[in-house]
Amino acid sequence: DAGITQSPRHKVTETGTPVTLRCHQTENHRYMYWYRQDPGHGLRLIHYSYGVKDTDKGEVSDGYSVSRSKTEDFLLTLESATSSQTSVYFCAIKGTSGRSSTGELFFGEGSRLTVL
Amino acid sequence: AQSVTQLDSQVPVFEEAPVELRCNYSSSVSVYLFWYVQYPNQGLQLLLKYLSGSTLVKGINGFEAEFNKSQTSFHLRKPSVHISDTAEYFCAVSPDDKIIFGKGTRLHILP
Repeated sequence: DAGITQSPRHKVTETGTPVTLRCHQTENHRYMYWYRQDPGHGLRLIHYSYGVKDTDKGEVSDGYSVSRSKTEDFLLTLESATSSQTSVYFCAIKGTSGRSSTGELFFGEGSRLTVL
Repeated sequence: AQSVTQLDSQVPVFEEAPVELRCNYSSSVSVYLFWYVQYPNQGLQLLLKYLSGSTLVKGINGFEAEFNKSQTSFHLRKPSVHISDTAEYFCAVSPDDKIIFGKGTRLHILP
């Protein structure tokens, strides 16, 4: 158990409303990631963070913003949700062994977002 | 830019038969390579990884993969599949802090 919690797990919202997904970790990992999973597209990286207030864009960052004000929380915000953002969103952390990265990701259970 | 290509979106195979799931990547730098599995209605978990050293990597549940630098491939194999191997399998590459995934291959086990 990598101690990752995503909330909410399920959300239905309407087009144009703001949505924030939260990823919380309990093990003080430096790197955190947000992916979206869609049929036929696999997992696509939205944004990632390499420390408090340090974030960078992924493959599909348009329409999404992130914030990391403390190590344990990584927030993904859809400022104005669209139907194309209906997806399953996964948070992940990069594992470490001591001070070195093991390279592998540990995933949360996912947040299913439906935008009507 | 780095990319990952999983050549088959679906692979049907009979139970107890061998299987190979193909993965090719493109990168101008050295990379770490991974295979993840996603069982129905679950999150992803690591099957195996290649960071350095031996090009043949063994993972959980009897899976193994071979890194071929000249062919930029990292194919996943299992000598005998079971019904419990029904899942979607994702190849991933990590050239730097980003970790890029392929589109996935669904493994269907036929009785």
